[in-house]
Amino acid sequence: GQNIDQPTEMTATEGAIVQINCTYQTSGFNGLFWYQQHAGEAPTFLSYNVLDGLEEKGRFSSFLSRSKGYSYLLLKELQMKDSASYLCAVRDAGNMLTFGGGTRLMVKP
Amino acid sequence: DTEVTQTPKHLVMGMTNKKSLKCEQHMGHRAMYWYKQKAKKPPELMFVYSYEKLSINESVPSRFSPECPNSSLLNLHLHALQPEDSALYLCASSPTGGGRVLNEQFFGPGTRLTVL
Repeated sequence: GQNIDQPTEMTATEGAIVQINCTYQTSGFNGLFWYQQHAGEAPTFLSYNVLDGLEEKGRFSSFLSRSKGYSYLLLKELQMKDSASYLCAVRDAGNMLTFGGGTRLMVKP
Repeated sequence: DTEVTQTPKHLVMGMTNKKSLKCEQHMGHRAMYWYKQKAKKPPELMFVYSYEKLSINESVPSRFSPECPNSSLLNLHLHALQPEDSALYLCASSPTGGGRVLNEQFFGPGTRLTVL
């Protein structure tokens, strides 16, 4: 099975940088996804890592260390619209996603 | 067309009603999923269809009955639900190979279900 941990809530200031961590313990690993979800809406894809290292995509970057079972999502130049839940999800060899509990990020002016 | 659509957006039903949720995608994806999401919780997988065949049923009660009439459509038939079944029901789809991100799941906007 999969065990995925991420902080429940975080608060940051507009214009700042925030890092959301995710640790996982899995019986099979075939990639890690980060999704953004605004309240009442569907999750939207942010990033995907399957190899160790950093993937950068505009204001968002995601890092993976497979040996440590660790990933983080880095958000730069925070905007108010970045207030949302951020879901870490691990995919197994059967393409099944297991989601972490999500981190609710609140961006304050 | 790069989206997953779901209807209705909102549904209120009584415990004796029969209703259906619908999901549609025209991206040629051959895997489709139903998830249930309670407030402030992550999505929980319910069912997976692969090539129109049910491949995973995560021990979901029989009052939820999935159906995949063709490769573009996925239904979830509801009967005799309980108030605790009130949740956001998300449909997702994924290709079975190739693509920029292999087997990335695309989510629909969800159906907000309230059982009275």
